[in-house]
Amino acid sequence: DQQVKQNSPSLSVQEGRISILNCDYTNSMFDYFLWYKKYPAEGPTFLISISSIKDKNEDGRFTVFLNKSAKHLSLHIVPSQPGDSAVYFCAASVTDSWGKLQFGAGTQVVVTP
Amino acid sequence: EPEVTQTPSHQVTQMGQEVILRCVPISNHLYFYWYRQILGQKVEFLVSFYNNEISEKSEIFDDQFSVERPDGSNFTLKIRSTKLEDSAMYFCASSEQGTTNYGYTFGSGTRLTVV
Repeated sequence: DQQVKQNSPSLSVQEGRISILNCDYTNSMFDYFLWYKKYPAEGPTFLISISSIKDKNEDGRFTVFLNKSAKHLSLHIVPSQPGDSAVYFCAASVTDSWGKLQFGAGTQVVVTP
Repeated sequence: EPEVTQTPSHQVTQMGQEVILRCVPISNHLYFYWYRQILGQKVEFLVSFYNNEISEKSEIFDDQFSVERPDGSNFTLKIRSTKLEDSAMYFCASSEQGTTNYGYTFGSGTRLTVV
């Protein structure tokens, strides 16, 4: 099941620079998209989300962009901090699907000093 | 900050045995979920639960799986006869609302190892 794809398994970025994580989806029924962050031995932590009626949502250092025509979304983290080192998951859902999230495979982000 | 609590953190069981994974969702949440992540694979949806009923389940959630809210605080996942391929990290999650718009709160997971 490849409905949500994160093609970059890893990303290394310097502290203070921008991290850009990408996610593609194939199911045009998806209307809500979320980003989660996961540290080892912990569950995923909700970061930010975006509805399909928007193309941008911002929360502090995190901004999610949605390009519906390209079925593509991205998460920008600026400035990147060492504490941002984690695995980031993109997830998508259909609003009436009773909570069924489709996750991507994740991108391991390493922020170096 | 309220959290979802899962016990045990690690469970080892023999193939064919029954296991029960336990979760205490956030107290004012009404919607509950189980997800799992097999090592090296994606996080996968198993089941959602509301008002003492399953709302939706995936193809993975076959007759070997069941969920229950036995009292006002616990939410359990039972695997009747475990198989080697059930080895995974199992995450419980809860939310106030039934849509995904609010971003669930996940527990830290139970690592299930079937030997």
